[in-house]
Amino acid sequence: NAGVTQTPKFQVLKTGQSMTLQCAQDMNHNSMYWYRQDPGMGLRLIYYSASEGTTDKGEVPNGYNVSRLNKREFSLRLESAAPSQTSVYFCASSNDAGRTYEQYFGPGTRLTVT
Amino acid sequence: GDSVTQMEGPVTLSEEAFLTINCTYTATGYPSLFWYVQYPGEGLQLLLKATKADDKGSNKGFEATYRKETTSFHLEKGSVQVSDSAVYFCALGSSNTGKLIFGQGTTLQVKP
Repeated sequence: NAGVTQTPKFQVLKTGQSMTLQCAQDMNHNSMYWYRQDPGMGLRLIYYSASEGTTDKGEVPNGYNVSRLNKREFSLRLESAAPSQTSVYFCASSNDAGRTYEQYFGPGTRLTVT
Repeated sequence: GDSVTQMEGPVTLSEEAFLTINCTYTATGYPSLFWYVQYPGEGLQLLLKATKADDKGSNKGFEATYRKETTSFHLEKGSVQVSDSAVYFCALGSSNTGKLIFGQGTTLQVKP
């Protein structure tokens, strides 16, 4: 099993450009998440999807959109990138049937906006 | 709302030293508690977990005990190695929101 995969691993954008970060999981998990990680801030939830066809805002959703394409895939889109969106982005998934909240993380995408 | 507070880092230790990273939480209900580890350049990996009061989670020589009376879940290891150098995150599974809430992370550096 590959677990959670993310593409790309690195990206540099100019202010105003758009891009989509891709995430896929092969564990048949219902829930998927997008986080950003900034120094000294821990992980902050951007958006999540509790099941296929549903998405909800997390703590820091402004400037982002998401799509839960199917049970496996959950993408994050930056429509007009800003330097404040320079960060490391992590996708995660979980099987919440047991309500244990254990999440499995991808390797991350390091994004720089100039 | 629910929250997690970790001790400030970085923590620098010599190899074979004893490690404690403090973690306290505020939550309603009965959350599950986790420690995740992030090695340089990688994503987070679950290190250990505890789902109810007095449970002890353990893995790779690390331990943490769910203490409801002190609302704590401190991470300990008796003898650290250079390979333990990483960022450690305490987290709780919120029964209010159904989501994980992370502490800010503690960087551990172990010197030979």
